Amino acid sequence: GDSVTQMEGPVTLSEEAFLTINCTYTATGYPSLFWYVQYPGEGLQLLLKATKADDKGSNKGFEATYRKETTSFHLEKGSVQVSDSAVYFCALDTGGFKTIFGAGTRLFVKA
Amino acid sequence: DVKVTQSSRYLVKRTGEKVFLECVQDMDHENMFWYRQDPGLGLRLIYFSYDVKMKEKGDIPEGYSVSREKKERFSLILESASTNQTSMYLCASSFGAGVPYEQYFGPGTRLTVT
Repeated sequence: GDSVTQMEGPVTLSEEAFLTINCTYTATGYPSLFWYVQYPGEGLQLLLKATKADDKGSNKGFEATYRKETTSFHLEKGSVQVSDSAVYFCALDTGGFKTIFGAGTRLFVKA
Repeated sequence: DVKVTQSSRYLVKRTGEKVFLECVQDMDHENMFWYRQDPGLGLRLIYFSYDVKMKEKGDIPEGYSVSREKKERFSLILESASTNQTSMYLCASSFGAGVPYEQYFGPGTRLTVT
């Protein structure tokens, strides 16, 4: 079945460091891919998405490119801030009713 | 501003109690979902609903039931709470199926069963 695998955390970085969180997927159809973020004490919110191969989603300095050949959707940010500390979830949706979420990666950014 | 609200942020119940978790969305979304979130396991789908009075089991429905009498409201019911149901419960909603729409989440209810 469809699945999402993302790197285990926690990831600890200093402010202004470069961030990569790896995400790979398995899907039988042509899924849309998402990154959601969960700040402390809150529910998830959409960070960015890409609906077809080679699309790049971007928001708040974060980017991810839909790579069909490597079945990946890695999240990147050039310079992280303390306020980026959160849990990040990679997810896929093939257009049915179910979104498949990864296990989440916790990011800590130190000042 | 779009909104999904959940009836409680924190809840403490005793083993064997019947527990109701309420979720309301104001976006006229067709789909509503209940997840539980546990460390290292991500989000696991309990039940979802794609229309009023319609419900479908998710990946872990055992020990839970749901009710959707109105489009904006989706309730999760723990018929007889057990300690292994201690968890964070997240409600979400989205537009109809066929196209992968994003889900909008509530803030979560942290349930402790003692």
